[in-house]
Amino acid sequence: EVQLVESGGGVVQPGGSLRLSCTASGFSLDDFALHWVRQVPGKGLEWVSLLSGDGSLIFYADSVKGRFTISHDKSTSSLYLQMHSLRSDDTAVYYCVKDVRSGWYPPIFDVWGQGTMVTVSS
Amino acid sequence: DVILTQSPLSLPVALGQPASISCNSSQSLVYSDGISYLTWFQQRPGQSPRRLIYKVSQRDSGVPDRFSGSGSGTDFTLRISRVEADDVGVYHCMQGTHWPPITFGQGTRLDIK
Repeated sequence: EVQLVESGGGVVQPGGSLRLSCTASGFSLDDFALHWVRQVPGKGLEWVSLLSGDGSLIFYADSVKGRFTISHDKSTSSLYLQMHSLRSDDTAVYYCVKDVRSGWYPPIFDVWGQGTMVTVSS
Repeated sequence: DVILTQSPLSLPVALGQPASISCNSSQSLVYSDGISYLTWFQQRPGQSPRRLIYKVSQRDSGVPDRFSGSGSGTDFTLRISRVEADDVGVYHCMQGTHWPPITFGQGTRLDIK
Protein backbone atom coordinates (compact mmCIF):
# COMPACT_ATOMS: atom_id res chain seq x y z
CA GLU A 1 0.00 0.00 0.00
CA VAL A 2 1.32 3.43 -0.93
CA GLN A 3 1.62 5.71 2.09
CA LEU A 4 3.04 9.14 2.85
CA VAL A 5 3.59 10.30 6.43
CA GLU A 6 4.61 13.89 7.13
CA SER A 7 6.29 15.16 10.28
CA GLY A 8 8.23 18.15 11.53
CA GLY A 9 5.50 20.74 11.82
CA GLY A 10 5.18 23.02 14.80
CA VAL A 11 5.17 26.59 16.02
CA VAL A 12 8.01 28.86 14.89
CA GLN A 13 8.63 32.59 15.21
CA PRO A 14 8.62 34.86 12.16
CA GLY A 15 12.01 34.73 10.49
CA GLY A 16 12.65 31.25 11.86
CA SER A 17 13.33 27.94 10.13
CA LEU A 18 11.74 24.52 10.10
CA ARG A 19 12.33 21.27 8.23
CA LEU A 20 9.43 19.08 7.21
CA SER A 21 9.85 15.39 6.45
CA CYS A 22 7.73 12.95 4.49
CA THR A 23 8.38 9.23 4.77
CA ALA A 24 7.19 7.25 1.77
CA SER A 25 6.35 3.56 1.64
CA GLY A 26 4.96 1.17 -0.94
CA PHE A 27 6.85 2.66 -3.89
CA SER A 28 10.31 3.77 -4.99
CA LEU A 29 11.22 7.46 -4.94
CA ASP A 30 13.15 6.82 -8.17
CA ASP A 31 9.98 6.30 -10.14
CA PHE A 32 7.68 9.13 -9.11
CA ALA A 33 7.80 12.86 -8.56
CA LEU A 34 6.78 14.18 -5.16
CA HIS A 35 5.22 17.51 -4.33
CA TRP A 36 4.53 19.70 -1.33
CA VAL A 37 1.11 21.36 -1.24
CA ARG A 38 -0.15 23.58 1.56
CA GLN A 39 -3.53 24.65 2.83
CA VAL A 40 -4.42 27.44 5.22
CA PRO A 41 -7.11 25.87 7.46
CA GLY A 42 -10.52 26.51 5.96
CA LYS A 43 -9.02 27.79 2.69
CA GLY A 44 -7.96 26.40 -0.67
CA LEU A 45 -4.92 24.40 -1.75
CA GLU A 46 -1.63 25.95 -2.88
CA TRP A 47 1.10 24.02 -4.66
CA VAL A 48 4.52 24.70 -3.10
CA SER A 49 7.23 22.59 -4.73
CA LEU A 50 8.08 19.60 -6.92
CA LEU A 51 11.03 17.20 -6.99
CA SER A 52 11.31 14.59 -9.75
CA GLY A 53 12.30 11.02 -8.97
CA ASP A 54 15.81 11.40 -10.38
CA GLY A 55 16.27 14.78 -8.72
CA SER A 56 16.79 16.61 -12.00
CA LEU A 57 13.61 18.67 -11.88
CA ILE A 58 12.95 21.04 -9.01
CA PHE A 59 10.35 23.81 -9.05
CA TYR A 60 8.95 26.21 -6.49
CA ALA A 61 5.98 28.50 -6.22
CA ASP A 62 6.98 32.16 -6.46
CA SER A 63 5.70 32.67 -2.90
CA VAL A 64 8.44 30.40 -1.47
CA LYS A 65 11.25 30.69 -4.01
CA GLY A 66 14.55 31.54 -2.37
CA ARG A 67 13.27 30.61 1.10
CA PHE A 68 12.29 26.92 0.79
CA THR A 69 14.40 24.00 -0.44
CA ILE A 70 13.05 20.59 -1.46
CA SER A 71 15.23 17.49 -1.32
CA HIS A 72 15.04 13.75 -0.87
CA ASP A 73 17.04 10.88 0.61
CA LYS A 74 16.35 7.69 -1.27
CA SER A 75 18.15 5.56 1.31
CA THR A 76 15.41 6.41 3.81
CA SER A 77 12.60 6.99 1.27
CA SER A 78 12.20 10.49 2.62
CA LEU A 79 11.23 13.82 1.11
CA TYR A 80 12.13 17.05 2.87
CA LEU A 81 11.13 20.70 2.80
CA GLN A 82 13.61 23.04 4.44
CA MET A 83 11.90 26.33 5.20
CA HIS A 84 13.75 29.54 6.09
CA SER A 85 12.70 33.14 6.72
CA LEU A 86 9.23 31.98 7.66
CA ARG A 87 6.39 34.48 7.59
CA SER A 88 2.92 34.50 9.07
CA ASP A 89 1.43 33.76 5.64
CA ASP A 90 3.36 30.47 5.56
CA THR A 91 1.05 29.22 8.31
CA ALA A 92 -0.72 26.20 6.85
CA VAL A 93 -1.09 22.45 6.80
CA TYR A 94 1.65 21.05 4.56
CA TYR A 95 0.89 17.92 2.55
CA CYS A 96 3.30 15.59 0.81
CA VAL A 97 1.74 14.37 -2.44
CA LYS A 98 2.81 11.63 -4.85
CA ASP A 99 2.64 12.08 -8.62
CA VAL A 100 1.70 9.23 -10.96
CA ARG A 101 4.98 9.58 -12.86
CA SER A 102 8.24 11.51 -12.96
CA GLY A 103 9.90 13.77 -15.47
CA TRP A 104 8.81 16.59 -17.70
CA TYR A 105 5.13 15.57 -17.88
CA PRO A 106 2.00 17.34 -16.73
CA PRO A 107 1.58 16.50 -13.04
CA ILE A 108 -1.22 14.23 -11.91
CA PHE A 109 -1.46 13.82 -8.16
CA ASP A 110 -2.67 10.59 -6.66
CA VAL A 111 -1.80 9.84 -3.02
CA TRP A 112 -1.72 12.50 -0.28
CA GLY A 113 -0.24 12.31 3.19
CA GLN A 114 -2.19 13.31 6.29
CA GLY A 115 -0.43 16.68 6.52
CA THR A 116 1.61 18.47 9.17
CA MET A 117 0.66 21.86 10.61
CA VAL A 118 3.10 24.76 10.52
CA THR A 119 2.26 27.84 12.58
CA VAL A 120 4.38 30.97 12.23
CA SER A 121 3.65 33.25 15.15
CA SER A 122 5.43 35.30 17.79
CA ASP B 1 -0.38 31.48 -14.24
CA VAL B 2 -3.60 29.63 -15.01
CA ILE B 3 -6.52 30.73 -12.85
CA LEU B 4 -9.21 28.18 -12.05
CA THR B 5 -12.57 29.60 -10.98
CA GLN B 6 -15.00 27.26 -9.27
CA SER B 7 -18.71 27.88 -8.89
CA PRO B 8 -20.62 27.83 -6.76
CA LEU B 9 -18.37 28.21 -3.74
CA SER B 10 -21.09 26.88 -1.45
CA LEU B 11 -23.52 24.16 -2.50
CA PRO B 12 -26.32 23.00 -0.21
CA VAL B 13 -27.97 19.90 -1.65
CA ALA B 14 -30.79 17.69 -0.39
CA LEU B 15 -30.05 14.00 0.02
CA GLY B 16 -30.73 12.06 -3.16
CA GLN B 17 -30.63 15.17 -5.32
CA PRO B 18 -28.02 15.87 -8.04
CA ALA B 19 -25.16 18.33 -7.65
CA SER B 20 -22.94 20.05 -10.14
CA ILE B 21 -19.71 22.01 -9.65
CA SER B 22 -18.10 24.07 -12.38
CA CYS B 23 -14.39 24.75 -12.87
CA ASN B 24 -13.52 27.40 -15.43
CA SER B 25 -9.94 27.91 -16.58
CA SER B 26 -8.35 31.17 -17.74
CA GLN B 27 -6.65 29.21 -20.54
CA SER B 28 -7.41 26.08 -22.50
CA LEU B 29 -6.19 23.02 -20.59
CA VAL B 30 -5.53 20.95 -23.69
CA TYR B 31 -1.89 19.80 -23.61
CA SER B 32 0.21 19.03 -26.69
CA ASP B 33 -0.81 15.36 -26.42
CA GLY B 34 -4.49 16.29 -26.75
CA ILE B 35 -5.26 15.50 -23.10
CA SER B 36 -6.61 18.02 -20.60
CA TYR B 37 -4.90 17.56 -17.24
CA LEU B 38 -7.80 18.53 -15.03
CA THR B 39 -8.22 16.67 -11.74
CA TRP B 40 -10.97 16.71 -9.12
CA PHE B 41 -10.36 16.04 -5.40
CA GLN B 42 -12.77 15.51 -2.53
CA GLN B 43 -11.76 16.67 0.95
CA ARG B 44 -14.00 15.40 3.72
CA PRO B 45 -14.02 17.31 7.01
CA GLY B 46 -10.76 16.79 8.88
CA GLN B 47 -9.22 14.69 6.12
CA SER B 48 -6.64 15.07 3.38
CA PRO B 49 -7.79 15.50 -0.21
CA ARG B 50 -8.64 12.33 -2.09
CA ARG B 51 -8.54 12.10 -5.86
CA LEU B 52 -11.88 11.37 -7.53
CA ILE B 53 -11.36 12.12 -11.22
CA TYR B 54 -8.27 12.74 -13.38
CA LYS B 55 -7.81 13.71 -17.03
CA VAL B 56 -11.26 15.33 -16.93
CA SER B 57 -13.34 12.16 -16.77
CA GLN B 58 -11.27 9.17 -15.57
CA ARG B 59 -12.81 8.02 -12.31
CA ASP B 60 -10.54 6.49 -9.68
CA SER B 61 -11.10 2.93 -8.52
CA GLY B 62 -13.34 2.84 -5.49
CA VAL B 63 -15.06 6.09 -6.41
CA PRO B 64 -18.81 5.54 -6.78
CA ASP B 65 -20.18 5.88 -10.28
CA ARG B 66 -22.46 8.62 -8.93
CA PHE B 67 -19.45 10.88 -9.55
CA SER B 68 -18.61 11.93 -13.09
CA GLY B 69 -16.40 14.50 -14.74
CA SER B 70 -16.81 16.20 -18.09
CA GLY B 71 -15.73 19.21 -20.07
CA SER B 72 -13.16 20.45 -22.53
CA GLY B 73 -11.02 23.45 -23.29
CA THR B 74 -11.70 25.88 -20.46
CA ASP B 75 -14.94 24.58 -18.93
CA PHE B 76 -15.18 21.52 -16.73
CA THR B 77 -17.84 20.03 -14.49
CA LEU B 78 -18.01 17.55 -11.64
CA ARG B 79 -21.43 15.96 -11.23
CA ILE B 80 -22.87 13.88 -8.45
CA SER B 81 -25.99 12.10 -9.64
CA ARG B 82 -27.52 11.51 -6.19
CA VAL B 83 -25.93 13.17 -3.17
CA GLU B 84 -25.35 11.03 -0.08
CA ALA B 85 -24.38 12.11 3.43
CA ASP B 86 -20.86 10.80 2.84
CA ASP B 87 -20.34 13.38 0.06
CA VAL B 88 -20.17 16.33 2.46
CA GLY B 89 -16.90 18.19 2.15
CA VAL B 90 -14.93 20.50 -0.10
CA TYR B 91 -14.31 19.74 -3.77
CA HIS B 92 -11.22 21.10 -5.49
CA CYS B 93 -10.24 21.20 -9.15
CA MET B 94 -6.58 21.29 -10.17
CA GLN B 95 -4.78 21.80 -13.48
CA GLY B 96 -1.42 20.31 -14.46
CA THR B 97 -1.38 21.31 -18.13
CA HIS B 98 0.41 24.64 -17.74
CA TRP B 99 3.07 24.11 -15.11
CA PRO B 100 4.84 25.26 -13.12
CA PRO B 101 2.96 26.39 -11.20
CA ILE B 102 0.26 23.80 -10.65
CA THR B 103 -2.92 25.65 -9.72
CA PHE B 104 -6.15 24.88 -7.89
CA GLY B 105 -9.63 26.32 -7.82
CA GLN B 106 -10.86 28.01 -4.63
CA GLY B 107 -12.81 24.93 -3.54
CA THR B 108 -16.56 24.30 -3.36
CA ARG B 109 -18.13 23.39 -0.03
CA LEU B 110 -20.95 20.86 -0.36
CA ASP B 111 -23.29 20.26 2.54
CA ILE B 112 -26.67 18.69 3.06
CA LYS B 113 -29.70 20.97 2.90
